[in-house]
Amino acid sequence: DAGITQSPRHKVTETGTPVTLRCHQTENHRYMYWYRQDPGHGLRLIHYSYGVKDTDKGEVSDGYSVSRSKTEDFLLTLESATSSQTSVYFCAISESEGEGNQPQHFGDGTRLSIL
Amino acid sequence: ILNVEQSPQSLHVQEGDSTNFTCSFPSSNFYALHWYRWETAKSPEALFVMTLNGDEKKKGRISATLNTKEGYSYLYIKGSQPEDSATYLCAFPPGATNKLIFGTGTLLAVQP
Repeated sequence: DAGITQSPRHKVTETGTPVTLRCHQTENHRYMYWYRQDPGHGLRLIHYSYGVKDTDKGEVSDGYSVSRSKTEDFLLTLESATSSQTSVYFCAISESEGEGNQPQHFGDGTRLSIL
Repeated sequence: ILNVEQSPQSLHVQEGDSTNFTCSFPSSNFYALHWYRWETAKSPEALFVMTLNGDEKKKGRISATLNTKEGYSYLYIKGSQPEDSATYLCAFPPGATNKLIFGTGTLLAVQP
């Protein structure tokens, strides 16, 4: 299994509070991704990173920010959580060779509930 | 809007049956097509990444074919087993990028 650890695994919080999810990898892969998974939508990309301090938006980036200060860590922050951000969040990683043709390896997910 | 469609949404088969399902994607500006297997309470696991028209990939009893000109890929499972029960996702990058657009998957249930 790819060495990907997401924390926390579960979190319940209230609307308006800040929330940070962490993804840690031990594979030294260049690319890291944050997805959310909702019924009827499948996996949707929130943000991704192509190197330390290099990030880009995905298709559902509004309300989220990310940071990557080290190769191994990619943080997802909800500055002021809303109920629509209740979801399961997955981190993924991939190697850098060949744009788009490297498989992505996923963490175990974080279940986030915002009340 | 670039989109990927998977059909059927769900499939129930008996142990030993062979089955297949479809992923449709935009045929223009093709770079790659990914297949993932996602078991309940686990995380998605990469099966195949296909890049060339006519590609065929195989992993055990699971195989996949790719037609980039008409924009579809088939995933086949030969002699389904209960442990094959999972959601099978396909995804493609809309360009020379690692951003993937995922379909909503085909949920396969194999009855013993």
